[in-house]
Amino acid sequence: SQKIEQNSEALNIQEGKTATLTCNYTNYSPAYLQWYRQDPGRGPVFLLLIRENEKEKRKERLKVTFDTTLKQSLFHITASQPADSATYLCALGTGGGNKLTFGTGTQLKVEL
Amino acid sequence: DAGVIQSPRHEVTEMGQEVTLRCKPISGHNSLFWYRQTMMRGLELLIYFNNNVPIDDSGMPEDRFSAKMPNASFSTLKIQPSEPRDSAVYFCASTAVRSDKNIQYFGAGTRLSVL
Repeated sequence: SQKIEQNSEALNIQEGKTATLTCNYTNYSPAYLQWYRQDPGRGPVFLLLIRENEKEKRKERLKVTFDTTLKQSLFHITASQPADSATYLCALGTGGGNKLTFGTGTQLKVEL
Repeated sequence: DAGVIQSPRHEVTEMGQEVTLRCKPISGHNSLFWYRQTMMRGLELLIYFNNNVPIDDSGMPEDRFSAKMPNASFSTLKIQPSEPRDSAVYFCASTAVRSDKNIQYFGAGTRLSVL
């Protein structure tokens, strides 16, 4: 069956360090993968998109990699700040329409 | 732009009552999604519309759930009768059908509690 897995346990890191979040999937052939940020009491907000033929994407302190052989995406936040504390969701799109399938998310806590 | 607008923000009701959740998508967006989020199951797609037409309702849990989109600027999700297991946060999101990025813009959600 199709499955998208993200670390269910919260990730705690120190301010200034690089946070790395993982998104693994099985039985999907995604055309693209997206990462969203969700703060408590709010809806998810889009951060980055990476397509199946791209290895890496960057935006300011954010970097996403996509390995279709390993069926994995890594999401990095460099020089992390307490304001980066949130839940991060990955979402897969197959390209045949607008449907996205979301992972369950990983909660990130950046401590001073 | 005001973004995706959902109402109410919170809804508390008793088992067996009808619940109606409302959504106004971003102007110009013609694809609308209803999601349900719980701790156990995460964010699940219930149904989505393109140009006001339901495309995929395979995520709708059962006949107690129904969704409509009478025009491009309004959609409803109805639960009748409601049950305690329907308690969750319900999100509406919109995007443009022809967008090559399919970035979805979410509302703030409706937190539903069924007692």
